[in-house]
Amino acid sequence: AQKITQTQPGMFVQEKEAVTLDCTYDTSDQSYGLFWYKQPSSGEMIFLIYQGSYDEQNATEGRYSLNFQKARKSANLVISASQLGDSAMYFCAMREGPDQGAQKLVFGQGTRLTINP
Amino acid sequence: DVKVTQSSRYLVKRTGEKVFLECVQDMDHENMFWYRQDPGLGLRLIYFSYDVKMKEKGDIPEGYSVSREKKERFSLILESASTNQTSMYLCASTRARSWAGEETQYFGPGTRLLVL
Repeated sequence: AQKITQTQPGMFVQEKEAVTLDCTYDTSDQSYGLFWYKQPSSGEMIFLIYQGSYDEQNATEGRYSLNFQKARKSANLVISASQLGDSAMYFCAMREGPDQGAQKLVFGQGTRLTINP
Repeated sequence: DVKVTQSSRYLVKRTGEKVFLECVQDMDHENMFWYRQDPGLGLRLIYFSYDVKMKEKGDIPEGYSVSREKKERFSLILESASTNQTSMYLCASTRARSWAGEETQYFGPGTRLLVL
């Protein structure tokens, strides 16, 4: 079963608008972490934001915020005041555990975001 | 800053060739990972390693092997390349901690492999 689901293959948004990228996850663990990454056309993966399962506040990093709804198992990324440079692929990922060894990540399918001028 | 480098950005190989993809990290990380990325499938874990000479299969290990002789270097090997291994390959590393919190994985720039 898919552990991370991103249902929006592509999104088109006008510059300066806010955008929400959806992510739902499936886990039976109580302790887990959720990540969002940005991948520009150059290919590198850029870490954006993290939310721990026990964090009571929604995570924020500059223009990025994570709308964490634990009961619904959703972790949507919100980008405020979008910019042309936000055009990229966006991946949601989950780390299950506490993990005694390697911290493996499971990734969603990705959403390609295009910002129109 | 953490730096993860991969030996090639683009690679073109023939079916049946043995292919080596090299990854090096400079931050003394214990854990290293190899993923492949395909459209509509996201990133899928091929192999990972949590120590020198240690390796664990990920979700899609078939057709691949790995080698980790030194802590900083993790190699992905395609013993006999096939066209269905045409993909983007990403290497990543992270520190080993019992519960890492927001410790992210650090990624290399990726290798786009084309098998003809």
